[in-house]
Amino acid sequence: NAGVMQNPRHLVRRRGQEARLRCSPMKGHSHVYWYRQLPEEGLKFMVYLQKENIIDESGMPKERFSAEFPKEGPSILRIQQVVRGDSAAYFCASSPASGGDNEQFFGPGTRLTVL
Amino acid sequence: AQSVTQLGSHVSVSEGALVLLRCNYSSSVPPYLFWYVQYPNQGLQLLLKYTTGATLVKGINGFEAEFKKSETSFHLTKPSAHMSDAAEYFCAVSDRESGGYNKLIFGAGTRLAVHP
Repeated sequence: NAGVMQNPRHLVRRRGQEARLRCSPMKGHSHVYWYRQLPEEGLKFMVYLQKENIIDESGMPKERFSAEFPKEGPSILRIQQVVRGDSAAYFCASSPASGGDNEQFFGPGTRLTVL
Repeated sequence: AQSVTQLGSHVSVSEGALVLLRCNYSSSVPPYLFWYVQYPNQGLQLLLKYTTGATLVKGINGFEAEFKKSETSFHLTKPSAHMSDAAEYFCAVSDRESGGYNKLIFGAGTRLAVHP
């Protein structure tokens, strides 16, 4: 059973460009979470999605950031008009069910560098 | 609001020595607590978790943690460090206060170095 897959692993963008980060959850998992890790910091929650629904986006910046988890295909985290402060590692996690006692399985992350 | 504090951003031990990584939490409801390990350029791997029941929790790779409600702590220990334990360790609590219990609140992390 493959783990959580994220691509690309490394992404370089110039200021003002768009960044698209993809996450394929583990087989059988319908719950996806996105976290951001700034240098020398812990992970910060961004958004929680179930298939076709955004459940909790309380950690998502109000502008330029959006996320989706369509019925078919991977979850996408989209950052428009990137700025240098968006440089970070973005991690996706998945779980088979809701509930805070469920383990979240993490992908290897996408490291975004904004020039 | 719930929060997690990890005391010591860097811990260094000798191979074979006791590993102790400290984690304190703040929560107005019974917490669900987790320890994750992150190796360089990789994602996070769950070491162990506490939800209910026995307060001493055993995890993978010889690690264990004890939930102490009176001290609001969930410290991670391993009796004898191995070189392969060198990594960054994150303590996390599941957000149950705001009803957003599907999201994890992480501490800032502790980087463990193991010397021969």
